[in-house]
Amino acid sequence: NAGVTQTPKFQVLKTGQSMTLQCAQDMNHNSMYWYRQDPGMGLRLIYYSASEGTTDKGEVPNGYNVSRLNKREFSLRLESAAPSQTSVYFCASSVSVATPLEFFGPGTRLTVL
Amino acid sequence: RKEVEQDPGPFNVPEGATVAFNCTYSNSASQSFFWYRQDCRKEPKLLMSVYSSGNEDGRFTAQLNRASQYISLLIRDSKLSDSATYLCVVGAGSYQLTFGKGTKLSVIP
Repeated sequence: NAGVTQTPKFQVLKTGQSMTLQCAQDMNHNSMYWYRQDPGMGLRLIYYSASEGTTDKGEVPNGYNVSRLNKREFSLRLESAAPSQTSVYFCASSVSVATPLEFFGPGTRLTVL
Repeated sequence: RKEVEQDPGPFNVPEGATVAFNCTYSNSASQSFFWYRQDCRKEPKLLMSVYSSGNEDGRFTAQLNRASQYISLLIRDSKLSDSATYLCVVGAGSYQLTFGKGTKLSVIP
């Protein structure tokens, strides 16, 4: 039981490049989330998926797209990376949106030059 | 914007000491309250939920004061392994959480 896994762990992009961050959970959770964490700020929700087949915007969705590929996988795409997207990205999952957010992935450290 | 405010610290305490953190929140409609811990360069981990009646988990005690809109976390008999950043989190459902910036604790031998 791996919990929540994320790939890659580290990535450096040039401005304008695109990339997809992958997230998977093996706990049969319905809800999945993408957060970003910047120095001196609390975690902020980018997008979430309450259940398979649904996605919704969080607090800071601009510049990102998501895909809930199936119940296990929830990917985050940066179409045209900008330096302001330099951050640590955490994927998380929960049984539902009504249950505590208990499981986070190890994070992806992204630098955009 | 909904706010969650925490003293960033750092709190430097000797092993065995008792330390308390407070957190205030601005949204009076908040229904869910949590403390997370985050080790350096790691993901947040849920430490405990906070209930109106207060709750305890071993050396950790959490309290909620709805009238004053603050949450507290008390750690007794601090261990070196308690060194981390403690995040106060408030919301109404896992998709409506507001994370504080965290309070850094260093437990010194």
